Amino acid sequence: EADIYQTPRYLVIGTGKKITLECSQTMGHDKMYWYQQDPGMELHLIHYSYGVNSTEKGDLSSESTVSRIRTEHFPLTLESARPSHTSQYLCASKGSAGGEQYFGPGTRLTVT
Amino acid sequence: GESVGLHLPTLSVQEGDNSIINCAYSNSASDYFIWYKQESGKGPQFIIDIRSNMDKRQGQRVTVLLNKTVKHLSLQIAATQPGDSAVYFCAENRGGGSYIPTFGRGTSLIVHP
Repeated sequence: EADIYQTPRYLVIGTGKKITLECSQTMGHDKMYWYQQDPGMELHLIHYSYGVNSTEKGDLSSESTVSRIRTEHFPLTLESARPSHTSQYLCASKGSAGGEQYFGPGTRLTVT
Repeated sequence: GESVGLHLPTLSVQEGDNSIINCAYSNSASDYFIWYKQESGKGPQFIIDIRSNMDKRQGQRVTVLLNKTVKHLSLQIAATQPGDSAVYFCAENRGGGSYIPTFGRGTSLIVHP
């Protein structure tokens, strides 16, 4: 089992609310990632980080922001949730350029 | 959320059969390839990887084949079991120290008992 955790696992929230999805890893990995995945669909990269104080936007603009103040923690914030944000959000980390990613269990978000 | 993409292709097999899942990658400079398995309600998990200086790599019941000429990757699962039912994704790392893998569309494997 990979040591990467996401909370909450499930979240139902109303339109316009601000939410933060948490992701933590205890492997000391520098690289961390957020993906959005609809059921039965592809993974879309929304944000990534190469290390502390480094964040970049991915291919999918999801109107979210991230921060990387500590190596182990990479939270994702939606300032104003919309029904189009309903999806599964997966966090991942990676220790080296040539290695595999380790994924968390995901947060399934529903915006009503 | 809304998605413009297509639903995943599906492979249905009988328990005990061998399964072959295929993946086409896009960049001839990619030097590292990974197969992930994603079970329902979980994040993807690493299965097996292969570097571009190899054509074949074997694990426990799984084999990955790499054909660089046609930029094709395949995952073979021997004696497929119901527990193998999942979505399988390939990913390529584009060399040059890139830390951003590119994922394929994925294939849904359904194993019938």
